[in-house]
Amino acid sequence: KNEVEQSPQNLTAQEGEFITINCSYSVGISALHWLQQHPGGGIVSLFMLSSGKKKHGRLIATINIQEKHSSLHITASHPRDSAVYICAVPFTYKYIFGTGTRLKVLA
Amino acid sequence: GAVVSQHPSRVICKSGTSVKIECRSLDFQATTMFWYRQFPKQSLMLMATSNEGSKATYEQGVEKDKFLINHASLTLSTLTVTSAHPEDSSFYICSARVLRTGVFSSTDTQYFGPGTRLTVL
Repeated sequence: KNEVEQSPQNLTAQEGEFITINCSYSVGISALHWLQQHPGGGIVSLFMLSSGKKKHGRLIATINIQEKHSSLHITASHPRDSAVYICAVPFTYKYIFGTGTRLKVLA
Repeated sequence: GAVVSQHPSRVICKSGTSVKIECRSLDFQATTMFWYRQFPKQSLMLMATSNEGSKATYEQGVEKDKFLINHASLTLSTLTVTSAHPEDSSFYICSARVLRTGVFSSTDTQYFGPGTRLTVL
């Protein structure tokens, strides 16, 4: 069993749809990192959160430390949101990565 | 925000040659940098942890003589793939760790470089 699990693994949505990606982890942490990787490969940091909720534009991230669960929401999705979304958990000196969610938003 | 650059972004080399990839933190100092490898449609795999002024710590199964890491300064780490082989073809990503310790809390964040795509012919 992976220490950090994401669901769904693949997601296809129509433009405008509300999207939710989930991340559950078993390792004890103080924070969680959401990353976005575009088809070209570069990784962009979206959120680093340790409690509650953060919002940036159409992206919202929530975390429940007690339940060891985080969600990433995309409102009014757009084809340019198509990417792989990865949650990562700091553990000792390194990150443990989720398996990633491959999102494709159709026009 | 913190920016990490990698150079080159793409490299094609012949089998048997060595390739050096640079990772720089542009507007901050990073005592720790990480090197990752990523195969198509797979997650990042940590190769090694690079600490400024000391030897890198390699993950299990990563050949230290094959993947030489040097962290010469607080803003630069290099990964050299020696005697490259087609199986070394991959996407290599570095990240720089920023650990901020406050009175009431601390944050441990990694900032990622854009990656280097290596193709060994």
